[in-house]
Amino acid sequence: EVELVQSGAEVKEPGESLKISCKGSGYSFTNYWIGWVRQMPGKGLEWMGIIYPGDSDTRYSPSFQGQVTFSADKSTSTAYLQWSSLKASDTAMYYCARRYCTKASCYKEAFDIWGQGTMVTVSS
Amino acid sequence: DIQMTQSPSSLSASVGDRVTITCRTSQSVSVYLTWYQQKPGKAPKLLIYSASTLQSGVPSRFSGSGSGTDFTLTITSLQPEDSATYYCQERYSTFGGGTKVEIK
Repeated sequence: EVELVQSGAEVKEPGESLKISCKGSGYSFTNYWIGWVRQMPGKGLEWMGIIYPGDSDTRYSPSFQGQVTFSADKSTSTAYLQWSSLKASDTAMYYCARRYCTKASCYKEAFDIWGQGTMVTVSS
Repeated sequence: DIQMTQSPSSLSASVGDRVTITCRTSQSVSVYLTWYQQKPGKAPKLLIYSASTLQSGVPSRFSGSGSGTDFTLTITSLQPEDSATYYCQERYSTFGGGTKVEIK
């Protein structure tokens, strides 16, 4: 079964660092892009960016450039989203999703598989 | 950046009704427009990609159309389980603001 499994909920204080994970299985993880999506409480979906695990090529939304960092570990088929200094406004659900495209071609230009989400709460 | 305008932001309809949601992009995205369904507390689910291709397993009452800058998601006979928020997305990036569909 193709799936993305995300790490569990986090509660942090402002200024702390955090790294959440998204582990892929059932497919060739390194060959397909992984996207990150934020959903603040009661709000819509916001595209944060994408990373290609095969070579860590990364594209950030201008809204999130410099605020977060994407990375990937090919050996464990895991993508990461990290913050160096959290703010209360980072409180949100974060989803990873597979973009069903390689670097050469697209089978579906869409996020076809989604993780279950990781809730991040930042509060003093 | 491409701007996405989704309308309406919410609607209420009866079981069996035909429902139409529109998504307009600020510049042409060809057919690279995707529709997702999200139910409360759940991750989004892919419904339609490439503007009109139904994802495997999605009921045929869902359909998509359009190209360029104007796109439509249609539910031909609304069912109780279709109560959800629907989002459009251009290519692999920007999402529309969402349309909340409620059952009367």
